[in-house]
Amino acid sequence: DAGVIQSPRHEVTEMGQEVTLRCKLISGHNSLFWYRQTMMRGLELLIYFNNNVPIDDSGMPEDRFSAKMPNASFSTLKIQPSEPRDSAVYFCASSYTGGELFFGEGSRLTVL
Amino acid sequence: AQSVAQPEDQVNVAEGNPLTVKCTYSVSGNPYLFWYVQYPNRGLQFLLKYITGDNLVKGSYGFEAEFNKSQTSFHLKKPSALVSDSALYFCAVRDMGGGSYIPTFGRGTSLIVHP
Repeated sequence: DAGVIQSPRHEVTEMGQEVTLRCKLISGHNSLFWYRQTMMRGLELLIYFNNNVPIDDSGMPEDRFSAKMPNASFSTLKIQPSEPRDSAVYFCASSYTGGELFFGEGSRLTVL
Repeated sequence: AQSVAQPEDQVNVAEGNPLTVKCTYSVSGNPYLFWYVQYPNRGLQFLLKYITGDNLVKGSYGFEAEFNKSQTSFHLKKPSALVSDSALYFCAVRDMGGGSYIPTFGRGTSLIVHP
């Protein structure tokens, strides 16, 4: 298996623009996590899906952030409108329910 | 509630010396414990886990971790450090009886191995 695949790897955009980050899960995994990592705040859980259903979205910063799982193998994280404070590395990770997480290589977002 | 602490932001060790990266945890029930490593500009990679059984768990790249229930610790160890082990290490815990499948991560410990 190719592992968890994220795109884009790097994104530079201007404040106010819409950003969409994409994630392909490992085949057979049924849990999906989106994390954000910054130097100041470390690793933060944004949202957790199990069997395509959002279970915990308490980490989503505000209404500008939304995440979807249109099918069992794919997820998107959307930021609209983006702000400079959203600059971070965004990771998705997949797993079997309760098992160890497998992380993608991350999407580095810079909002100017 | 579940929590994990990594008391050291940074650990320095000379190449060839043994290394230890500390982790303590708190859960209501039995713990499910993990270690992950993150190399620069990469995602986190799973190293090893403890579910039940033998308290000494062996993982990737020669790493091992010892589960100590009385001290609620799960320290990561390696007998002989390599420069290439320099990375950020994360401990994570999940309460097996807590009903949540979301692990709690520590803040990470930066391991620096000097030649």
